[in-house]
Amino acid sequence: GESVGLHLPTLSVQEGDNSIINCAYSNSASDYFIWYKQESGKGPQFIIDIRSNMDKRQGQRVTVLLNKTVKHLSLQIAATQPGDSAVYFCAEGLYGQNFVFGPGTRLSVLP
Amino acid sequence: ETGVTQSPTHLIKTRGQQVTLRCSSQSGHNTVSWYQQALGQGPQFIFQYYREEENGRGNFPPRFSGLQFPNYSSELNVNALELDDSALYLCASSLDWEDTQYFGPGTRLTVL
Repeated sequence: GESVGLHLPTLSVQEGDNSIINCAYSNSASDYFIWYKQESGKGPQFIIDIRSNMDKRQGQRVTVLLNKTVKHLSLQIAATQPGDSAVYFCAEGLYGQNFVFGPGTRLSVLP
Repeated sequence: ETGVTQSPTHLIKTRGQQVTLRCSSQSGHNTVSWYQQALGQGPQFIFQYYREEENGRGNFPPRFSGLQFPNYSSELNVNALELDDSALYLCASSLDWEDTQYFGPGTRLTVL
């Protein structure tokens, strides 16, 4: 498949370590945030979401943290695996409206 | 897999031509959104269809148009293709207009 994000910021982590991917969002009125994972040749895959009335939400091996004061969102991946290698996008929006995607971060998992 | 399918997977057109891209939404989903993703960038919202009506539009010219059918599948039409239209076109479906969007694999359009 085609390559996604040839010139993106890259985060390299050792297999088994925890990963933290950061995202700064732009609209203080945004009230819904989603993290997507995109592998080469595929469409974005939903990982986890969070509403603005929360500051933390946990899923399976993933945690999203929201800091509305500084308009910052992070995705934490526990015990990173080779299959986690992909480009990760945060998306912000007003709930029920459409989403603005960030530029993406490439996560590279080293053996 | 999300159950959202798109066709074709790849397409090559020349400048000035017209193209139609197709999307089948996940079963039970009544909303389809279209995005353009240039290489190295995040997806950019084109428009959304909810129950066969346009329900929002991004900053794209009128030569980008769409349709949604009674079975909630959708088409994206682009007229007078330009070189900068070369991108991955993504379709996302959702249970309702305010729900999480699930993406298809995309159609890679190359304009020569």
